[in-house]
Amino acid sequence: DIQMTQSPSLLSASVGDRVTLSCKASQSIYNSLAWYQQKLGEAPKLLIYDANSLQTGIPSRFSGSGSGTDYTLTISSLQPEDVATYFCQKYYSGWTFGGGTKLELK
Amino acid sequence: QVQLKESGPGLVQPSQTLSLTCTVSGLSLTSNSVSWIRQPPGKGLEWMGVIWSNGGTDYNSAIKSRLSISRDTSKSQVFLKMNSLQTEDTAMYFCARMPPVFLLGAEGYFDFWGPGTMVTVSS
Repeated sequence: DIQMTQSPSLLSASVGDRVTLSCKASQSIYNSLAWYQQKLGEAPKLLIYDANSLQTGIPSRFSGSGSGTDYTLTISSLQPEDVATYFCQKYYSGWTFGGGTKLELK
Repeated sequence: QVQLKESGPGLVQPSQTLSLTCTVSGLSLTSNSVSWIRQPPGKGLEWMGVIWSNGGTDYNSAIKSRLSISRDTSKSQVFLKMNSLQTEDTAMYFCARMPPVFLLGAEGYFDFWGPGTMVTVSS
């Protein structure tokens, strides 16, 4: 089975910071990767699909990149409403989510 | 407007069977695939299974022996049944749609989710 590892598990940043979250697969997943934002008490919200495609309605400060086994979610200028936990999910050879990165304000 | 909403008993006794319903609107189950995903308190997300647009199903191998997913297209409802519940099955249970851009049987991402229903396994 392909494992998904996210890092860091906890990230503290200030408003306006550029923030980078990492997601690594144990083998290539050929860009079959999505990123979700989950705020406390809510369902996950799709941000990015196919590794780098922005979901409709998502602010352009969110972007995804990567290929093969290594993927990144970037928030270009952190806003207070971005405080949440972020999950990556592969959809190649089954569905598996990463363990999540909790993003908090410094 | 696509919407999904889960409903269920809230509390289930250990060793009993869990039954959940996902009621959808704004989409047809004959052209959309719906998955169940769960999240234990404070933990990550686990994909449980999918019912494809043609009614076929696939399950997570870790829980396959306990899980069944079915649907009633006339009522726009998807059902989850899982038996032999234990305390570690305590979780928020979500249903989610995979967009119809994916061919039948192709894995994809989830663009619409229900708000979830909390299930606690306790005596």
